[in-house]
Parts: sequence; C-alpha cells; structure tokens
Amino acid sequence: DTTVKQNPRYKLARVGKPVNLICSQTMNHDTMYWYQKKPNQAPKLLLFYYDKILNREADTFEKFQSSRPNNSFCSLYIGSAGLEYSAMYLCASSSGTGDTGQLYFGEGSKLTVL
Amino acid sequence: AQSVTQPDARVTVSEGASLQLRCKYSYSGTPYLFWYVQYPRQGLQLLLKYYSGDPVVQGVNGFEAEFSKSNSSFHLRKASVHWSDSAVYFCALSAANTGNYKYVFGAGTRLKVIA
Repeated sequence: DTTVKQNPRYKLARVGKPVNLICSQTMNHDTMYWYQKKPNQAPKLLLFYYDKILNREADTFEKFQSSRPNNSFCSLYIGSAGLEYSAMYLCASSSGTGDTGQLYFGEGSKLTVL
Repeated sequence: AQSVTQPDARVTVSEGASLQLRCKYSYSGTPYLFWYVQYPRQGLQLLLKYYSGDPVVQGVNGFEAEFSKSNSSFHLRKASVHWSDSAVYFCALSAANTGNYKYVFGAGTRLKVIA
C-alpha cells in the first residue's frame, strides 16, 4: 500500500482562526513533508520531518507549526489564518533508503480563508 | 541553491502527436531528477526518475526523459499522446545524494490533448 491520506480534503476558515491539517502514511517512511501549492506556482516546501526532527524553511518559520506524534502521522498547524494562506496543501512522504527518495503524495487539502 | 524552470505553462497537442515538455535545472552538484504528473482531483504521481547512468530513462505509460548535464535539462517526451495524458506535469530536483532531502519543483506544465 503506497497511500498517503490527507484530511480534510477541503477546509473553509475565517481570517484569524486556527487551521489544523492532518496527514498519514502506512509505508513506514522516515520523512514527511508539507508543501503549499498556489495556482500557477511551484509547490513550495514549508517544512519536513526526518524521523522526529523538524526542519522548517526560513521564510515560513513563524507561520506554520507541525507535529509528528508517531511515524505515521504528521500535522500542519496555522495559528491564525490569513487570506494569503488560501492554497492547496500537499503532504508527501519518502524513505531515506530503498526507493532512493521518491516522494509519495496525498491528494491535498484545499484551504480557503475568508 | 537549486532551482527548476518549466518554461511552458501550457501545452496543447493533438492526440497521436509527439510531445516534449521542457525542464531546465540549476544545481552545482549532481542532481536527482524526477517528473511527476497530477491528474484532475488526484495527488502527484511519479512518472520517472533519473539518478545516474543512461541519460535516457523510461517511465510509465510510454513516457521517457533525457538528462543532459551540458544543457542542465531533463526534458520529458512521448512519441504519441493520448487524450488521457491531459494533466499537469511537474519537473523536480533533489540533492538527496548529499543527505539533503529537500526537493525543488518547477511550476508545472498543463498539457491538454485535443482530438
């Protein structure tokens, strides 16, 4: 099973409210990623977990938080949503061994902030 | 820093025609290169990947890509497209061979296959 699942698929949030997106994978991958995808733009890496170590990109460091309570789950948390957060959020996973780095993606969570 | 450029945002081809989607990268080391495809309402899926060796790599559904170090390119090709190939195609690069698992994507090329 090479499935990455994301919930919710669609999220409507008010400006200033928190948002929590969930991702799970059953492939025992050591690395999980969150990307932000806006129309006509490249997926932008927000952060990734390698095992229990969180790596956040410098320009999104204060905007997004994440947790990985176990190997299978990873969340993306926005404390106070702004209009600019409206985007598709893509979760992916990969293994550092075996498949030499191929990313496995979920279907995405579309966030609309009003 | 790494970067990936897909110069064509949209490409329209007739069914049965050949296809080339362009990808240029910038990276000082040896890259790992990927093409992913996103069909409507689905997640990104791997089409093919290049790590080393033969510069022409074969992927699923008749796709292939050619790595050129001199041109810093990794163009995707298909000899005869089908309407079901309509999708968004993303070129990506990683420096995973350095222990850095950060992937950089291009903005994607939206392919439309017409009858």
